[in-house]
Amino acid sequence: GENVEQHPSTLSVQEGDSAVIKCTYSDSASNYFPWYKQELGKRPQLIIDIRSNVGEKKDQRIAVTLNKTAKHFSLHITETQPEDSAVYFCAARANRLAFGKGNQVVVIP
Amino acid sequence: DVKVTQSSRYLVKRTGEKVFLECVQDMDHENMFWYRQDPGLGLRLIYFSYDVKMKEKGDIPEGYSVSREKKERFSLILESASTNQTSMYLCASSELAGLSGANVLTFGAGSRLTVL
Repeated sequence: GENVEQHPSTLSVQEGDSAVIKCTYSDSASNYFPWYKQELGKRPQLIIDIRSNVGEKKDQRIAVTLNKTAKHFSLHITETQPEDSAVYFCAARANRLAFGKGNQVVVIP
Repeated sequence: DVKVTQSSRYLVKRTGEKVFLECVQDMDHENMFWYRQDPGLGLRLIYFSYDVKMKEKGDIPEGYSVSREKKERFSLILESASTNQTSMYLCASSELAGLSGANVLTFGAGSRLTVL
């Protein structure tokens, strides 16, 4: 089955700086790559997703890039704010969705 | 505005007890899922269902079963709870039938189960 790995596991950034989280996947048949954000004590929520026929997608301060050849995709957060502090999960789907283990992002005011 | 409701936020059970975790969604979604969340292990799929009466094993189904008698309700059952089943359990639903195409998951608030 699909195997998704996220790195780094924890990321600390100064408020206003950019944060980048990278994920790799194993199944070249994967065609859908969502990112979920889980704030402390809350449920995961979709923040952005990308399909395999697109290389990049942007939504305000967040963007996702996909490199199908290298089988990796990344989440970019610009101008980080304290409310960006959360655990971020990437996922990839070939026949079903597989999640990575999550990245803890801490934005330091 | 709650769309996926898990009936129990916190449960404490004893080893060997039978445990029912209930999940109800009001979005008329075909797909429903049960995940387990543990620190450092992310979200692991236990079981899912893409239609009433249908169920499919996920990545870690051992020790669990599920029931989907109605479209809006998906129950997770621990026949004989064990201490290694202490965890946060998350229910989710999505609108697409089957698992093709983009399926945006809407999660419930979670049920934290402690097995003593």
